[in-house]
Amino acid sequence: KAGVTQTPRYLIKTRGQQVTLSCSPISGHRSVSWYQQTPGQGLQFLFEYFSETQRNKGNFPGRFSGRQFSNSRSEMNVSTLELGDSALYLCASSLRQASYEQYFGPGTRLTVT
Amino acid sequence: LAKTTQPISMDSYEGQEVNITCSHNNIATNDYITWYQQFPSQGPRFIIQGYKTKVTNEVASLFIPADRKSSTLSLPRVSLSDTAVYYCLVGDIKRAGSYQLTFGKGTKLSVIP
Repeated sequence: KAGVTQTPRYLIKTRGQQVTLSCSPISGHRSVSWYQQTPGQGLQFLFEYFSETQRNKGNFPGRFSGRQFSNSRSEMNVSTLELGDSALYLCASSLRQASYEQYFGPGTRLTVT
Repeated sequence: LAKTTQPISMDSYEGQEVNITCSHNNIATNDYITWYQQFPSQGPRFIIQGYKTKVTNEVASLFIPADRKSSTLSLPRVSLSDTAVYYCLVGDIKRAGSYQLTFGKGTKLSVIP
């Protein structure tokens, strides 16, 4: 089976812009979760989508949003980018909702200048 | 969510067995213990999960004593490619309600030739 794929792998944006990241889960997986990883804060949970509905949400501002399509693919959007949004954004898929057995993609490295 | 404590870092020589211990004194009855491995600039990889006693797969073994207040991830005969950060997570894998997968700081394992 193909693993989780994320596009793009690298992205450079300017403060104030917005960005959309894409994630394709493992075939058959219906849950997609998003994480932000920075050297200072480590891995932080953003939100989880299951059957096109956001089921769980972490402690991030409303500038971070997402959606899931009927084929389980997911997108994450960050509006009004700030320098502090520079991070590795990871997507993970799982068979069940709120699962501790998740399969991560390679991530998208976002740099905000 | 049960809080976990792991050593910040460990060094080991190639070919040795490595044991990484995680403390989780307030683990709940329904909580499971899950371990992930993360290489630099990659997403975490699910290694193993268990509830009690011993679980073994092709990658590692997980030892959980009767009181379940700690667990030990055992990596047999490590190689340089096992150099990574290892995360211990504790939570109710069957609870589909609100949750956040909390990775903590993890243990940075350095394998020395």
